[in-house]
Amino acid sequence: NAGVTQTPKFQVLKTGQSMTLQCAQDMNHEYMSWYRQDPGMGLRLIHYSVGAGITDQGEVPNGYNVSRSTTEDFPLRLLSAAPSQTSVYFCASSYHEGTYNEQFFGPGTRLTVL
Amino acid sequence: AQTVTQSQPEMSVQEAETVTLSCTYDTSENNYYLFWYKQPPSRQMILVIRQEAYKQQNATENRFSVNFQKAAKSFSLKISDSQLGDTAMYFCALNQAGTALIFGKGTTLSVSS
Repeated sequence: NAGVTQTPKFQVLKTGQSMTLQCAQDMNHEYMSWYRQDPGMGLRLIHYSVGAGITDQGEVPNGYNVSRSTTEDFPLRLLSAAPSQTSVYFCASSYHEGTYNEQFFGPGTRLTVL
Repeated sequence: AQTVTQSQPEMSVQEAETVTLSCTYDTSENNYYLFWYKQPPSRQMILVIRQEAYKQQNATENRFSVNFQKAAKSFSLKISDSQLGDTAMYFCALNQAGTALIFGKGTTLSVSS
């Protein structure tokens, strides 16, 4: 199993550009989520999904869109990048939400918006 | 709303010594789950230990153990016989039905020789 994969690992954008961060898992997990990590802020939830076709907002959803058309994939779209979105982004997955199950994390994407 | 607080932004310890990282949380639920994750310089998030709230016995994984005080809503992590490889940021996290995993802001631990 590859686990949770994220692409790209690094990205530099200009203000106003759009892009999609890719996330895929091969563990047949129902639950997937996106976090952003900023210095001194821990990991903050952006969006999450409890299954294909179902998504919901987390703590910091503004400026981001998600969709979940398959169990395996959960892409995160930045509609119009802003410097405030400079961060490290993590995708995570687990069998179900709100349980004892371990959440598996991808390696992260470091995004810089100029 | 659920919250997780880690009051120690940074800590340092010598090799072979013991260190305790603090975590407090707030939730109105009676059934929930608590985790400690480690993030080394590689940036990869690694599960260290987990605890089910309905279990009174403290979880232990090799050199890592927790002190779970449900009434006080406290979940501290003890690392015994610290090793250089324990140098990392440590995150406390809370999980419960109907919500996503919520993290504290992290504690940076430095282990020196």
